[in-house]
Amino acid sequence: AQSVTQPDIHITVSEGASLELRCNYSYGATPYLFWYVQSPGQGLQLLLKYFSGDTLVQGIKGFEAEFKRSQSSFNLRKPSVHWSDAAEYFCAVGGYSGYSTLTFGKGTMLLVSP
Amino acid sequence: GAGVSQSPSNKVTEKGKDVELRCDPISGHTALYWYRQRLGQGLEFLIYFQGNSAPDKSGLPSDRFSAERTGESVSTLTIQRTQQEDSAVYLCASRLTGDTYEQYFGPGTRLTVT
Repeated sequence: AQSVTQPDIHITVSEGASLELRCNYSYGATPYLFWYVQSPGQGLQLLLKYFSGDTLVQGIKGFEAEFKRSQSSFNLRKPSVHWSDAAEYFCAVGGYSGYSTLTFGKGTMLLVSP
Repeated sequence: GAGVSQSPSNKVTEKGKDVELRCDPISGHTALYWYRQRLGQGLEFLIYFQGNSAPDKSGLPSDRFSAERTGESVSTLTIQRTQQEDSAVYLCASRLTGDTYEQYFGPGTRLTVT
């Protein structure tokens, strides 16, 4: 069965500092990987996704993530955090069937300090 | 264009009552998913509709939960005899089959069972 682990429940970063959110997955084949962001009272918005090819993927709002097969990881990064980035971030894994559901991690809450 | 919409945005109900939650997917999206998000938890898959195929109900937690979808349009999630543990945000997502598998999420319905 597929699973996703986000080891950090909360992270606090100073505005302007760099950010890395960790995600480890378990999946029996090459996975589809996603990062979503959820602002308070909002639905989930897709930040970026990985299917194949270049292991470093760029997303919206200045985010990027790197797929590392050997480490079963898909960590999210941003070089300089803005106060508006404060939100909850979810990593998700899906399969190649195209019809499969996504398995989500429990999320990491990002707090941005002035 | 219009995104995924859900109604109501908030619902407070008494234990034992039935509730219906509605999801309007993006027009033309053939796949529709329901998820449950409990406080501090990731998203828990409930049910998946794909066109006119039989739905994947493998995530429904009990027979008190059911969902319907008419063709490729509106879906209704029904919870009968609600319990306090049903309190959660219920999220709906839709997807355009054949694309890169991105799910587009609605804002959710926050259900509180008193």
